[in-house]
Amino acid sequence: SQTIHQWPATLVQPVGSPLSLECTVEGTSNPNLYWYRQAAGRGLQLLFYSVGIGQISSEVPQNLSASRPQDRQFILSSKKLLLSDSGFYLCAWRNTGVYGYTFGSGTRLTVV
Amino acid sequence: AQKVTQAQTEISVVEKEDVTLDCVYETRDTTYYLFWYKQPPSGELVFLIRRNSFDEQNEISGRYSWNFQKSTSSFNFTITASQVVDSAVYFCALSEGDTGRRALTFGSGTRLQVQP
Repeated sequence: SQTIHQWPATLVQPVGSPLSLECTVEGTSNPNLYWYRQAAGRGLQLLFYSVGIGQISSEVPQNLSASRPQDRQFILSSKKLLLSDSGFYLCAWRNTGVYGYTFGSGTRLTVV
Repeated sequence: AQKVTQAQTEISVVEKEDVTLDCVYETRDTTYYLFWYKQPPSGELVFLIRRNSFDEQNEISGRYSWNFQKSTSSFNFTITASQVVDSAVYFCALSEGDTGRRALTFGSGTRLQVQP
């Protein structure tokens, strides 16, 4: 079956610390993968998308980066977190089924 | 560029009332898909419906119904006889057709509060 795993669920990090959020997909190959961020009380903003291994496109200028070292692995990183990086991060992949997109359960990041 | 507008930031109703959540979209694509998602307080996105641009039939699923009108670029969502469990943030979203990045563009969401 097709599933998506995202971890950790919650994270509290100090300003200036590094970040690594991981997302893996099972049951499919060569999916389009996405990272979204939702600031408190706001909508979802697309941060990065990837159409294949090593192919990353950034949607907005920011303090974050993304990598896709394997077909079904998508990583969101930062070398030094800012307070403004706080938010709810969602990974998603585009599938061809009726649902269209499958979302992970999200990571709630608080930068203190 | 694509855009989704949900003009209603927050709606409060009393249980059993009907409520309609508005969604207006902009796209230059002739092939596109429209979605509605529900986000409960836990944060996960719950898929509600997907509609493609060639299918303007309205859809009903239990207490939920959707009205897709290409002439006004709208895809409105109605909850009939609302319940407290319907309280959540609802997002309307649009994705491009079958080429390109095919990412979802979300509206800013409508927070629905159903009072008992």
